[in-house]
Amino acid sequence: KAGVTQTPRYLIKTRGQQVTLSCSPISGHRSVSWYQQTPGQGLQFLFEYFSETQRNKGNFPGRFSGRQFSNSRSEMNVSTLELGDSALYLCASSPEVLDTWTDTQYFGPGTRLTVL
Amino acid sequence: AQKITQTQPGMFVQEKEAVTLDCTYDTSDPSYGLFWYKQPSSGEMIFLIYQGSYDQQNATEGRYSLNFQKARKSANLVISASQLGDSAMYFCAMREGVTLRTTGANSKLTFGKGITLSVRP
Repeated sequence: KAGVTQTPRYLIKTRGQQVTLSCSPISGHRSVSWYQQTPGQGLQFLFEYFSETQRNKGNFPGRFSGRQFSNSRSEMNVSTLELGDSALYLCASSPEVLDTWTDTQYFGPGTRLTVL
Repeated sequence: AQKITQTQPGMFVQEKEAVTLDCTYDTSDPSYGLFWYKQPSSGEMIFLIYQGSYDQQNATEGRYSLNFQKARKSANLVISASQLGDSAMYFCAMREGVTLRTTGANSKLTFGKGITLSVRP
């Protein structure tokens, strides 16, 4: 079974630009969650999408948005980039029903965003 | 209050020795899962071990074991026989309100700040 994939792996943008990151979950997984990892704030939950609907949302400004497509692939968008948005963005997928705790989230390799 | 607390900023261990990484958690939900992830410098998150709140036995997975003390709300990771490749960041995480084999599982993971482990040759 293929793992979670994220594209692109690295991205450099300048302040004020916008960016779109993509995540393809493990086949059959319908839940996709996004996390932001920075040295100062650690790993923070951005949002979760399930069946094309945002099911859960973290405490981030409205510049951070996402969506999920019918094939469960998800994108997140950050508009009007700020220097503080430089981070590793991790995507994780999960099945709707956990048969065992090892069915918990599988992470993608991440997209490292640098804002100049 | 912090949901997941990892207070050790950095740990050093000699190769082949055992090391314990501390994690305390806070939740009022009776159903939860606790997880440890390893993150090497490459950035990928590697799932190591889990413990469900209703599990009676402490989890073990190869060289990893989880010292689960429910009353104290602690879930410490023990790595036996440390190897140089164990040098990485280690994160404790919790998923609340989840019961196995039920629908509508909340997928949100709450992470601690992480612990840097350095294994010395």
